[in-house]
Amino acid sequence: EAGVAQSPRYKIIEKRQSVAFWCNPISGHATLYWYQQILGQGPKLLIQFQNNGVVDDSQLPKDRFSAERLKGVDSTLKIQPAKLEDSAVYLCASSLGQGSYNEQFFGPGTRLTVL
Amino acid sequence: AQTVTQSQPEMSVQEAETVTLSCTYDTSENNYYLFWYKQPPSRQMILVIRQEAYKQQNATENRFSVNFQKAAKSFSLKISDSQLGDTAMYFCAFANAGNMLTFGGGTRLMVKP
Repeated sequence: EAGVAQSPRYKIIEKRQSVAFWCNPISGHATLYWYQQILGQGPKLLIQFQNNGVVDDSQLPKDRFSAERLKGVDSTLKIQPAKLEDSAVYLCASSLGQGSYNEQFFGPGTRLTVL
Repeated sequence: AQTVTQSQPEMSVQEAETVTLSCTYDTSENNYYLFWYKQPPSRQMILVIRQEAYKQQNATENRFSVNFQKAAKSFSLKISDSQLGDTAMYFCAFANAGNMLTFGGGTRLMVKP
């Protein structure tokens, strides 16, 4: 079974530029999550999707971050404009469903450096 | 809101010995899950073990076991017969009913030969 795919793996941009990350979850997984992991910290949930609907985006900085999952499969996370403090690894995860008994499977992450 | 605290930023253990990683959490919910995740250097996060809050029996997965103390809101991970491949960051995490994970700050474990 293929795992969660993310691209790109690395991205370096200058502040105030825009960037987008892509995630392809495990086939059949209805629930998709985006996490931000700042160096030396645990991941922080940014947004959770159930199919193509947003379940929770309370920790997403909506003035600069946006995410979508239009067809209920792939998802993109965008930052516009980027700030220095956005430097982090962005992790995508997926699970079969929303219940907490459903294991979340993580992708390899995209490491973003903002200069 | 939930909080998860890991008080040991770094730990080391000799190969073949046993080590225990600590985790405490705070929540007002009754139904939840607790997890330990492993993040090896430059590799992706994988689930090590999970505990359902309504189960009194501590979870065990091969060399990994937990000590779940619900009243004390404590959830420690014991690794027996430590192996070099256990070297990684270990994250304790809490999941509410909607499966939204709250992670602790992590413990860096180094297994020494």
